[in-house]
Amino acid sequence: AQRVTQPEKLLSVFKGAPVELKCNYSYSGSPELFWYVQYSRQRLQLLLRHISRESIKGFTADLNKGETSFHLKKPFAQEEDSAMYYCALTGSGTYKYIFGTGTRLKVLA
Amino acid sequence: KAGVTQTPRYLIKTRGQQVTLSCSPISGHRSVSWYQQTPGQGLQFLFEYFSETQRNKGNFPGRFSGRQFSNSRSEMNVSTLELGDSALYLCASSLQGARDTQYFGPGTRLTVL
Repeated sequence: AQRVTQPEKLLSVFKGAPVELKCNYSYSGSPELFWYVQYSRQRLQLLLRHISRESIKGFTADLNKGETSFHLKKPFAQEEDSAMYYCALTGSGTYKYIFGTGTRLKVLA
Repeated sequence: KAGVTQTPRYLIKTRGQQVTLSCSPISGHRSVSWYQQTPGQGLQFLFEYFSETQRNKGNFPGRFSGRQFSNSRSEMNVSTLELGDSALYLCASSLQGARDTQYFGPGTRLTVL
C-alpha cells in the first residue's frame, strides 16, 4: 500500500535550535518525494523536492530508500519557519499525490 | 500569472443536497487535482484530470465526481451530501501532472448541516 507517515502532529523548538521533521513512506515503485508548507493564511506551496537536491530557506531533505524516509532538516530554526509541513509522495504513472497528515512546527522565541 | 482560483470560497448546504465546486488553473496548466482536507485525515486525493480525461481517482464513493473542460477549468460535484463531507476542498494545478510542482488554490470550505 502507498502511504506517507508523519509521526509528529506538533513539533515545538526554540529559535536557533535544529529542526527535524520526520517523514516515512511506503511505496512499491520508484517514489518521488516532496515537502509542502502552509504558512498562516497562505496557500499550500512546494518547499522542496528530492530530485532537486537543493536547499530552500535553509531546509534540506535526503531520500533514504533503505529506511524509506525523507526527513526535513534545518540546522537553525527561525520564527518565520512556524507553519504546517506536509510530506507528499508520487510515482511514475500514478498521477496522484499521497500526503502525510502534516506536522505543525512552532518555533519559540 | 494569476494563481489558481476556486469558487465559491464558502458554502453551506444541508444533508441530501448536491454541490458543485469550480477550479480555474494557472494559464497553461493542463493537470488539475482535487483534494479533501479535514483535521483528522489531512489531505486526501480525490481525482486528477488532464486534457479532459480522469487519470486517477482516490478512494471516495461514487457521490464524488468531477470533470475538466477544454480550457482546463475543472469542476467537482458531490451528490447526496452527508455530514461527513464537511471539509476544505482544495484544487491544485500543474503543467503535466503529479511529478510537476502543484500550485494550490485557496480552497472551498463546505459545511454540511
